[in-house]
Amino acid sequence: NAGVTQTPKFQVLKTGQSMTLQCAQDMNHNSMYWYRQDPGMGLRLIYYSASEGTTDKGEVPNGYNVSRLNKREFSLRLESAAPSQTSVYFCASSQREGMNTGELFFGEGSRLTVL
Amino acid sequence: GENVEQHPSTLSVQEGDSAVIKCTYSDSASNYFPWYKQELGKRPQLIIDIRSNVGEKKDQRIAVTLNKTAKHFSLHITETQPEDSAVYFCAALNNNAGNMLTFGGGTRLMVKP
Repeated sequence: NAGVTQTPKFQVLKTGQSMTLQCAQDMNHNSMYWYRQDPGMGLRLIYYSASEGTTDKGEVPNGYNVSRLNKREFSLRLESAAPSQTSVYFCASSQREGMNTGELFFGEGSRLTVL
Repeated sequence: GENVEQHPSTLSVQEGDSAVIKCTYSDSASNYFPWYKQELGKRPQLIIDIRSNVGEKKDQRIAVTLNKTAKHFSLHITETQPEDSAVYFCAALNNNAGNMLTFGGGTRLMVKP
């Protein structure tokens, strides 16, 4: 049981380059999320998808785009990377039942460095 | 939007002592408060959560208390062990307003043997 799988685990980019972080979950969860983790700032939500076909902005969406490709997959794209986007990115999924958000299951993280 | 403050940012205790981490939140409509543990180089994992209809919840050596009037909640770890060393994150969510779970800045707990 793989849970939440995200790729790549490490990436170095130059300013202005683009890249896509891929995420897939095999738990049949309806909700998926992208967070970034910076020292002392906890986990900040970039975008989330409450269900297949929907996406919404989180706290820090600027500079990012997302695609909920199907129920399993949720990708995060950086169109023109900036040094401020150097961070560890976590994908997560959860099963929202009615009005209750369930436990978040996180991927292993992707460490991105923008030079 | 919701704002969650977490204190202290670092906490060092002797093995066997208790540890307390405190969080405050700003949105009085928040009704779900989970705690996540992240070991070094690993992914965050849920350790305990509490909903607004209860004031306290225990699971073996960990407990969470909630004071909705004061808008704060705390994590209590008793009889700490070296394997409790990790970063702990509190979070808050208004379930009636969607899926945006807001995290605190984290507390690095170090348990000295």
